[in-house]
Amino acid sequence: EVQLVETGGGLIQPGGSLRLSCAASGFNVNSKYMNWVRQAPGKGLEWVSVIHSDGSTYYADSVKGRFTISRDNSKNTLYLQMNSLRAEDTAVYYCARQLTNSGWFDYWGQGTLVTVSS
Amino acid sequence: DIQMTQSPSTLSASVGDRVTITCRASQSIKSWLAWYQQKPGKGPKILIYKASSLESGVPSRFSGSGSGTEFTLTISSLQPDDFATYSCQQYNSYPFTFGRGTKLEIK
Repeated sequence: EVQLVETGGGLIQPGGSLRLSCAASGFNVNSKYMNWVRQAPGKGLEWVSVIHSDGSTYYADSVKGRFTISRDNSKNTLYLQMNSLRAEDTAVYYCARQLTNSGWFDYWGQGTLVTVSS
Repeated sequence: DIQMTQSPSTLSASVGDRVTITCRASQSIKSWLAWYQQKPGKGPKILIYKASSLESGVPSRFSGSGSGTEFTLTISSLQPDDFATYSCQQYNSYPFTFGRGTKLEIK
């Protein structure tokens, strides 16, 4: 059974850093495209970043240069390193699996809340 | 970026009703559209991909249609479990973008 479990969220001051983790089970993270998608309070979903099975990465303009997506194949875990955090980064962050060469997300985690506030 | 405009933002309906939610893209996305259902405190669940393909395990009362810039999600006969928020997503090009969601409420 496919499962995605996010951890690492919390309250952080503006300008701070945080690393989110997404532990996967039931498949290998390096065999699929793995994404981070966020949802600010009362807002719609916003795609943040993807790492393809070949290791290539892409980012939304709103996080480019501040966030880094990566994976650890030995731990079957996806990460999102978030630096220079801003109030507008406050959101629930979901990891989501994307089948190779498709565009939709077939499995999602339950999300982890990141709150950027002083 | 491709903008996705969803309507209505809120929809009140009763069990057994037929409901339709609309999603419009700011430019043609062919059939590269997905629909998701989301319940409070949970991640979204895929319902429809490629505009009209039903994900395995999703009840047949859900259907999708459209191509180009206009798409619809239809629930043929609402069940109690269907009251949730529904969102569309385009995957024609990066960055993938979503509609703002339609909250389906019990009338």
